[in-house]
Amino acid sequence: LAKTTQPISMDSYEGQEVNITCSHNNIATNDYITWYQQFPSQGPRFIIQGYKTKVTNEVASLFIPADRKSSTLSLPRVSLSDTAVYYCLVGDNQAGTALIFGKGTTLSVSS
Amino acid sequence: NAGVTQTPKFQVLKTGQSMTLQCAQDMNHNSMYWYRQDPGMGLRLIYYSASEGTTDKGEVPNGYNVSRLNKREFSLRLESAAPSQTSVYFCASSEDRAGGETQYFGPGTRLLVL
Repeated sequence: LAKTTQPISMDSYEGQEVNITCSHNNIATNDYITWYQQFPSQGPRFIIQGYKTKVTNEVASLFIPADRKSSTLSLPRVSLSDTAVYYCLVGDNQAGTALIFGKGTTLSVSS
Repeated sequence: NAGVTQTPKFQVLKTGQSMTLQCAQDMNHNSMYWYRQDPGMGLRLIYYSASEGTTDKGEVPNGYNVSRLNKREFSLRLESAAPSQTSVYFCASSEDRAGGETQYFGPGTRLLVL
């Protein structure tokens, strides 16, 4: 299983762009990169998933360099409601592979 | 669609008591999971079920049992609760048992064992 490393915490202000980088040096060929968001007292919620290059949806963008050893979640123009814990996960499509949630990155957005 | 539902929302147990946490999903997903989350920690997988009738151990299965009652329901049982099992328990489901799939989580059950 590819281990992921991400910052424990980040601070930002409303309206700024936030980039959270995740390192996964041992990522395997079949692994996908997935980001989840968790608000206090709630279960995690899927944000975005990618395999290579760039993926964008209505919530965020995910940048994956060619070597795939890291990835960056980009949140444009954050608001107070984006204050949450963000988890980077790496996993393949083989049955029996467990998803590993690390401690995540706690993002605090201030006004 | 209600998504993933869990009952109860909160429970207090005494050491040695037993209880069953219930989980149901209405998305027709094949795979279901039970996680626990301790303060300041990420989620740790307890058990999962890739399909109806099958269950497998995750990272921290000791002290727990599970039952995949049907495609919709996946229960987690604590036979003899211990203070170390004080935690928030999340149930999740996904379309297939695959690392790249999206998991959908329930609201959680907060368990306090005294």
